Amino acid sequence: GENVEQHPSTLSVQEGDSAVIKCTYSDSASNYFPWYKQELGKGPQLIIDIRSNVGEKKDQRIAVTLNKTAKHFSLHITETQPEDSAVYFCAASISGNQFYFGTGTSLTVIP
Amino acid sequence: DSGVTQTPKHLITATGQRVTLRCSPRSGDLSVYWYQQSLDQGLQFLIQYYNGEERAKGNILERFSAQQFPDLHSELNLSSLELGDSALYFCASSVEWDRASYEQYFGPGTRLTVT
Repeated sequence: GENVEQHPSTLSVQEGDSAVIKCTYSDSASNYFPWYKQELGKGPQLIIDIRSNVGEKKDQRIAVTLNKTAKHFSLHITETQPEDSAVYFCAASISGNQFYFGTGTSLTVIP
Repeated sequence: DSGVTQTPKHLITATGQRVTLRCSPRSGDLSVYWYQQSLDQGLQFLIQYYNGEERAKGNILERFSAQQFPDLHSELNLSSLELGDSALYFCASSVEWDRASYEQYFGPGTRLTVT
């Protein structure tokens, strides 16, 4: 089955700096790659996603890149703010079936 | 608020018991997914239903079962509970699986504690 690895497990950045979280996947059939933000005591919240026919997608301060050949995708957060502090998860799916999640990155933005 | 509701919020029960977790998807969403989140395992996909039918199965134990009803709400049944089943259980729904709209919206979760 699919195996998703996520790095780093923890990340601390100064407010205003950028944060990058990286994931790799194993199944070349995976074609949908969402990213979720989970705050304490809440369910994961979809923040951005990318499909395999696209190399990059941006939404304000958040961007995701996908390298299908290398089977890795990354989340980029620019101009980080304290409210970006949370746990971030990547995931991989084949057409919306069986989502496989990374182990999460705990991001702390230091004011 | 994602629009996905889950009940109960917290559940404390003893080993060997059986519990039922309930999920109501967002209005109009036909697909429901169940996940288990524990400290050492991360988010594990359990099972997916689409419009009442099982669509995909993940790491779901034989002691666990689920169903989706005609009104689209779903229930996850956990039986012969063990200490290791203590975890957060999340339900997620998505718009229309068969129209390639895969975005999932998660509920607030049910925290299960087995003592």
